[in-house]
Amino acid sequence: DAGVIQSPRHEVTEMGQEVTLRCKPISGHNSLFWYRQTMMRGLELLIYFNNNVPIDDSGMPEDRFSAKMPNASFSTLKIQPSEPRDSAVYFCASSHRSGGEDTQYFGPGTRLTVL
Amino acid sequence: AQSVTQLGSHVSVSEGALVLLRCNYSSSVPPYLFWYVQYPNQGLQLLLKYTTGATLVKGINGFEAEFKKSETSFHLTKPSAHMSDAAEYFCAVSSGTYKYIFGTGTRLKVLA
Repeated sequence: DAGVIQSPRHEVTEMGQEVTLRCKPISGHNSLFWYRQTMMRGLELLIYFNNNVPIDDSGMPEDRFSAKMPNASFSTLKIQPSEPRDSAVYFCASSHRSGGEDTQYFGPGTRLTVL
Repeated sequence: AQSVTQLGSHVSVSEGALVLLRCNYSSSVPPYLFWYVQYPNQGLQLLLKYTTGATLVKGINGFEAEFKKSETSFHLTKPSAHMSDAAEYFCAVSSGTYKYIFGTGTRLKVLA
């Protein structure tokens, strides 16, 4: 299995620009998560999808952030407009919810730098 | 509400020495517990997990952890550290739902 795939691995952009991060979950998984990791705040859950439907977006910082999952094999996280404080590593994770167990598998992350 | 506390943001051990990374949790329901490892510039990789059953859990790379309900702990151990174990380790708790609560991480340094 290829694991969770994220692109790009690194993104450098200027303040005000639109940024789109992409994720391909593990085939067969029905849950997808976007996390943000910073030194100050650690790992934060931004949004959770189940069967392509957003279930919990309470972690999305503000309206500048949006996420979509048009099908079971693809998701995007968009920031528009980007700000320097958005600089972080963004992880996508996926899992297969089955009964009480829900082990999350993480992608390699996208390191975002907003200048 | 659930929470996780990892004692020691940095731990140093000599190569060949015992590795002990501490994790204490708080949960009002039977917890599911996880240890993840993050190597530099990589994502989080699952080391091991406790859901139900045997309280001593063995994971990859020679790591193991023991669930101790009375101590609300899930410490990670490895008998003999290897240089390749240098990484950041995260403990996480969930109630069996999608929501994981992660600790702040412990960076392990292995000294030659």
